[in-house]
Amino acid sequence: SQTIHQWPATLVQPVGSPLSLECTVEGTSNPNLYWYRQAAGRGLQLLFYSVGIGQISSEVPQNLSASRPQDRQFILSSKKLLLSDSGFYLCAWSEPLKENTIYFGEGSWLTVV
Amino acid sequence: AQSVTQLGSHVSVSEGALVLLRCNYSSSVPPYLFWYVQYPNQGLQLLLKYTTGATLVKGINGFEAEFKKSETSFHLTKPSAHMSDAAEYFCAVRKYSSASKIIFGSGTRLSIRP
Repeated sequence: SQTIHQWPATLVQPVGSPLSLECTVEGTSNPNLYWYRQAAGRGLQLLFYSVGIGQISSEVPQNLSASRPQDRQFILSSKKLLLSDSGFYLCAWSEPLKENTIYFGEGSWLTVV
Repeated sequence: AQSVTQLGSHVSVSEGALVLLRCNYSSSVPPYLFWYVQYPNQGLQLLLKYTTGATLVKGINGFEAEFKKSETSFHLTKPSAHMSDAAEYFCAVRKYSSASKIIFGSGTRLSIRP
């Protein structure tokens, strides 16, 4: 069966420090991969999605970037964190078919102080 | 562009009462529609989805939703609320022609009164 792992689960970082959140999917190949952010009291915002290695689509201009160095690995990064980057970050994946469901990791809490 | 609107950021019902969470979508092409549930400090879990075929979709935990094209709605219901249903619920849409992009609504927090 397929599983998705996301880490770290919680992170407290000072303003201006770098960020790296990692996500891996097991049990499938060539998945679509996603990063979402959920700010306090707000809905889910799609940040990035990827349909293959090295293929990244950015949904909103921001202080973050994403990379997909391997088929089942998706990394969310920042060179210098802002206070507004605080939130709950969710990695997700789906099979590369139109109608298939998206499955979420357990999320990472980022607090920028 | 497709979008999802969830009416009511917070809904409170009594235990045993009907649960109704509203979702309207905007899409120029037939969409795929989803409802997800999020318990505190956890990721999202799929409740149910509509792709094609029967417009009344049954999901886990006694929830169901009906796709109404004429009303562009996909409301989530449960006949009798249970305390364990307290959570955040998200409606989402994937455009039929898009293999990769799912857009979520802003969420509705469901509270259950004893």
